[in-house]
Amino acid sequence: AQSVTQPDIHITVSEGASLELRCNYSYGATPYLFWYVQSPGQGLQLLLKYFSGDTLVQGIKGFEAEFKRSQSSFNLRKPSVHWSDAAEYFCAVGKISSGSARQLTFGSGTQLTVLP
Amino acid sequence: DAGITQSPRHKVTETGTPVTLRCHQTENHRYMYWYRQDPGHGLRLIHYSYGVKDTDKGEVSDGYSVSRSKTEDFLLTLESATSSQTSVYFCAIRPGTAGSTDTQYFGPGTRLTVL
Repeated sequence: AQSVTQPDIHITVSEGASLELRCNYSYGATPYLFWYVQSPGQGLQLLLKYFSGDTLVQGIKGFEAEFKRSQSSFNLRKPSVHWSDAAEYFCAVGKISSGSARQLTFGSGTQLTVLP
Repeated sequence: DAGITQSPRHKVTETGTPVTLRCHQTENHRYMYWYRQDPGHGLRLIHYSYGVKDTDKGEVSDGYSVSRSKTEDFLLTLESATSSQTSVYFCAIRPGTAGSTDTQYFGPGTRLTVL
């Protein structure tokens, strides 16, 4: 069965500092990987996704993520964090299921606090 | 904006009562999903649909049923609500057209409290 682990429940960084959020997955085939962000009281917004090809993917808001098959990881990075990046971040892995639907399995999330 | 609305946005109900949550989309996408979000668990899939009248169970389907009688609406029903079903419920859609990127887009959520 597929699973996603986000080892850090809560991360605090200063504004302007670099950021890396960790994500490890377990999946038997080539994974489809996603990062979503959720601001308080809001739904989830897609930051970026990996399906195939270049293992370094660029997303919105200056985020990027690198797929490392050997480490089963898909870590999210940003070189300089802004106060507006404070939110909860979710990593997810997708698998094909009935009717070619694609189920997502989410990690438990990492809450990011940004200090002024 | 993926054209997804959820209703109601907030609901408080009592244990043992039936509850139906509605997800409505305007884009005629094939795939629709219901998730619940609880602290420390991220989002967990309840049920999903891959077409009208075509549905299947997800990870946490016990106590929930769904129906999809037309493309634009996907209903989640709690036949007899329990306090353990207090949660935030999210609907998601995924375009099923050729060339789509398998990305799911989420609605604003429904906060359900079962007393």
